[in-house]
Formats: sequence, structure tokens, C-alpha cells
Amino acid sequence: ETGVTQSPTHLIKTRGQQVTLRCSSQSGHNTVSWYQQALGQGPQFIFQYYREEENGRGNFPPRFSGLQFPNYSSELNVNALELDDSALYLCASSLNPTGYGYTFGSGTRLTVV
Amino acid sequence: KNEVEQSPQNLTAQEGEFITINCSYSVGISALHWLQQHPGGGIVSLFMLSSGKKKHGRLIATINIQEKHSSLHITASHPRDSAVYICAVSGGGATNKLIFGTGTLLAVQP
Repeated sequence: ETGVTQSPTHLIKTRGQQVTLRCSSQSGHNTVSWYQQALGQGPQFIFQYYREEENGRGNFPPRFSGLQFPNYSSELNVNALELDDSALYLCASSLNPTGYGYTFGSGTRLTVV
Repeated sequence: KNEVEQSPQNLTAQEGEFITINCSYSVGISALHWLQQHPGGGIVSLFMLSSGKKKHGRLIATINIQEKHSSLHITASHPRDSAVYICAVSGGGATNKLIFGTGTLLAVQP
């Protein structure tokens, strides 16, 4: 049984650029949630994907968008990067949207300069 | 005021000490999670609780639903326990999203 894999592990981008982060869900999990963790803060919910559809969204602007693929892997896309987007981006998969057990990836550390 | 509050924010202990980390929440929940985050970011799920008490090795987690409070205890602490411990609650609803506390940074010294 594989866990959740995120790529890349680290990334440096310039303000205004676009970035795509990737997450593979744990085998058997059809739901992926994305979180942003700023330095020294707890993670904040960005959105959740379930069966290739967005299933809920936190307080993040539309330049944060996502996709989920038929194999339940997921992408997080951020357009027009801002310095404040620098953070650790965490992906968590679960059996379904109301499943309480989460498996987290190791995160992608994004630095915007 | 954050919906999930943890205390203390920072904790330094000597190896072998008994450690308690507290979590209070102000929202209705379907479950409470204790998570461990090591430097570099990866999060490991330690416990998921909706009532009572759970034990795994040297770790014990308790929850009091009426008081909206949970504690994580580490017995016979060891330097390898050094990490950030995060309390998070599942609020239910369509996404059952997690609402996180800001974490407790634990350093166990040999």
C-alpha cells in the first residue's frame, strides 16, 4: 500500500509566475485535500477534490485552482504568484470526503522571490 | 481567537519526563486528530478521537467532548519525540476539512 507522494519537494519561483504542485493519493483513497502552511502557522484548508470534482473550498482566491485525475492523483495550480504564497503545501488523501482517516504527504516547500 | 488553541506553544523537557500538550476547540466537531510534524514538513497522524482515550506505545490521547478539550501525553519522553505536535479537528460537513491548531514545538533533551 503506497502512501501519499508529493512533488516537487522544494521549489523557488519568481513573483508573477505560475506553479503546479502534484500529489498522488494513497491506494484506495478517492479524496484529496490541499492545505497551505505558512511559517509558524497551522495548515489552512485550500480545497478538496472528490471523484475529479471540487468538493469544497477554503478562503483562497481563484488564482488557486486544482484538478483531480481518474487515478485520484491531484494537482494544485497557483497563478500570478505573490510573495505571501511562500509556504509549505500539504496534500492529504482520505477514503472519501467524510472519511476521518487522513494520510498526509511530506509537502512541497514553495518559495516565491 | 483561533477555533483550535494549543498550549504550550513551546516545550522543552528532559529525557524521561512525562509530557502533556493541551488542545481546546470552540467549534462542533466530528473527530479530533493529533498529528506529528518533523522538520522538513511531513505530517504523521498519531490519533483520531471522538470520545474517551486512546493509547499507542508511550503516547496517550484523551478527549472531553463536554469541555471541548483534549490532551496528548507522552510518557518516558525521548529525544526522538522532538517534533511539532498539532491538534486538528474535523468539523464534519461536505468536506470534513481539518481545522488546525498552530502546534506545540517539543524539544526533548538527553
